[in-house]
Amino acid sequence: AQSVSQHNHHVILSEAASLELGCNYSYGGTVNLFWYVQYPGQHLQLLLKYFSGDPLVKGIKGFEAEFIKSKFSFNLRKPSVQWSDTAEYFCAISLNTGGFKTIFGAGTRLFVKA
Amino acid sequence: DAGITQSPRHKVTETGTPVTLRCHQTENHRYMYWYRQDPGHGLRLIHYSYGVKDTDKGEVSDGYSVSRSKTEDFLLTLESATSSQTSVYFCAISESSSPKNIQYFGAGTRLSVL
Repeated sequence: AQSVSQHNHHVILSEAASLELGCNYSYGGTVNLFWYVQYPGQHLQLLLKYFSGDPLVKGIKGFEAEFIKSKFSFNLRKPSVQWSDTAEYFCAISLNTGGFKTIFGAGTRLFVKA
Repeated sequence: DAGITQSPRHKVTETGTPVTLRCHQTENHRYMYWYRQDPGHGLRLIHYSYGVKDTDKGEVSDGYSVSRSKTEDFLLTLESATSSQTSVYFCAISESSSPKNIQYFGAGTRLSVL
């Protein structure tokens, strides 16, 4: 079955540190890739997405992610985090042959120390 | 923000009692979803709907039923709540069935079953 793995469940960083959150998926075919973010007390919202083309995609708030097909990975990065980036981050995939259902990873809780 | 309202936002109930959670949307989107969010599991799909009176099961549907009598409302019912159903429940909507579809989420309902 298809799945999404997020390697780090909890990450603690100081402000201005660089961030990289890992995401790997298991599926041999074409996938659509998403990162969603859930700020404390808020609903999930889309951070960025990749469907095709340039494997480096940029999202809101200075986030970017790189799709590496050979590694089945879609890691999220930010050069310099801020306290306001404290949130839970979810990687997700949908399959072009699997209808419209989305498969989510377990999430990574990021805490940024001021 | 997408017009999605979940009610109630918080609920405490006792084992064996029935519970109904409501999701109301003002976007006229055809597709609606119920997820549960648990630590270490991320979001898991309970049920989804692809139109009025058209619903189907997700990966964790046991113990849950749904109904959709109007485009704007999607109800999730726990017929006899159990402690294992203590969770945060999210409703989501999407416009189409495309796998490239972005889902928009409600604020969530925190349910505690004692």
